[in-house]
Amino acid sequence: QQQVKQSPQSLIVQKGGISIINCAYENTAFDYFPWYQQFPGKGPALLIAIRPDVSEKKEGRFTISFNKSAKQFSLHIMDSQPGDSATYFCAASKKAGSYQLTFGKGTKLSVIP
Amino acid sequence: GAVVSQHPSWVICKSGTSVKIECRSLDFQATTMFWYRQFPKQSLMLMATSNEGSKATYEQGVEKDKFLINHASLTLSTLTVTSAHPEDSSFYICSARDLAGPSGNTIYFGEGSWLTVV
Repeated sequence: QQQVKQSPQSLIVQKGGISIINCAYENTAFDYFPWYQQFPGKGPALLIAIRPDVSEKKEGRFTISFNKSAKQFSLHIMDSQPGDSATYFCAASKKAGSYQLTFGKGTKLSVIP
Repeated sequence: GAVVSQHPSWVICKSGTSVKIECRSLDFQATTMFWYRQFPKQSLMLMATSNEGSKATYEQGVEKDKFLINHASLTLSTLTVTSAHPEDSSFYICSARDLAGPSGNTIYFGEGSWLTVV
């Protein structure tokens, strides 16, 4: 059973456009939702994260939108650049226990000039 | 920001030998570290959760005798792949939990270690 569903699997966006990646979760015990960016051959890097007490968080060109009732959250990349081309993973974790992350399957983003 | 260092970045070993990968939190103490395995074009697969001073908790299907994990200090966890075989070739990534981070459970990843068993 996949607890965090991520879509789309791949995404092609023109430079300057908006990239949108969506995730849905099932476990209502999740209370921390980070996004990670991974370049080929590198480890994931924390991009931005949100808690369910806010509906939106913005850091530079990156915005997380969170819909608690729908159990969905999304990453928006404004003014997408070729350097943003990478694989993006959404994740979720619970406050209790070891806080281990449950990952989505990833979205490969390609930003074309 | 917090940094997690992994060493070596890549290693080639002969079949049947053992390989150790180190994971260090450089500027924070990590009571909990995680080890993942990632196959090409796939998501991260959690192998085990490592808690400082206690035995690691392994995910279902992960052989604890093959993938030995030691978390002897608050800044270091090691993964030893014992009697490695070609099917163990993969990208291994560790992460560490920063209790003092922005959310109290911010998790940072290392750069990963490529293991090739020949």
